[in-house]
Amino acid sequence: QKEVEQDPGPLSVPEGAIVSLNCTYSNSAFQYFMWYRQYSRKGPELLMYTYSSGNKEDGRFTAQVDKSSKYISLFIRDSQPSDSATYLCAMKGSNYKLTFGKGTLLTVNP
Amino acid sequence: GAVVSQHPSWVICKSGTSVKIECRSLDFQATTMFWYRQFPKQSLMLMATSNEGSKATYEQGVEKDKFLINHASLTLSTLTVTSAHPEDSSFYICSARGDAGGSGNTIYFGEGSWLTVV
Repeated sequence: QKEVEQDPGPLSVPEGAIVSLNCTYSNSAFQYFMWYRQYSRKGPELLMYTYSSGNKEDGRFTAQVDKSSKYISLFIRDSQPSDSATYLCAMKGSNYKLTFGKGTLLTVNP
Repeated sequence: GAVVSQHPSWVICKSGTSVKIECRSLDFQATTMFWYRQFPKQSLMLMATSNEGSKATYEQGVEKDKFLINHASLTLSTLTVTSAHPEDSSFYICSARGDAGGSGNTIYFGEGSWLTVV
């Protein structure tokens, strides 16, 4: 079993839809959870950073962490074509080494 | 937010030559920098972790003599791909962690460098 599992998609939604992206993990040592957005041929861009279980909201983005289930989610409200990208979940313990999911390719159709 | 700059963005080199990629933290001091490799439609694979002033720690399976990493200052790390071959063609990305403080737990990525070996 991989440490971080993420459905690679692809996921295609109409503009304005609510998008739900998820990752599961197996390593209980992971304490910090991140979501990165990566446009084609570009470096990852940090979207959300969470530490504890619960929800964190930033504009149209909501990150959710459930440590008891080892499950994290990213919700995108009112999705826009500009949100089309690959979304990577990442997590780390105390040693700052990030473990990434495979990434989910999202396309938002106008 | 914090900015990490990578240079060059694109590089084409001949097989057998060496190429250097720079990673700079522009508005914070990066005590630790990480180098990743990413193949098309794949996730990021950590190659090595470098701390300023000390030798890099390489991940299993990564040839340290082929991928030379230098972290000479708190704002600059370099990756040199020595004797490059076509199979080294890939997207190389660096990331940086700030010192203890506001950015200490956050890791920021550079824009990546596309290497094509012909």
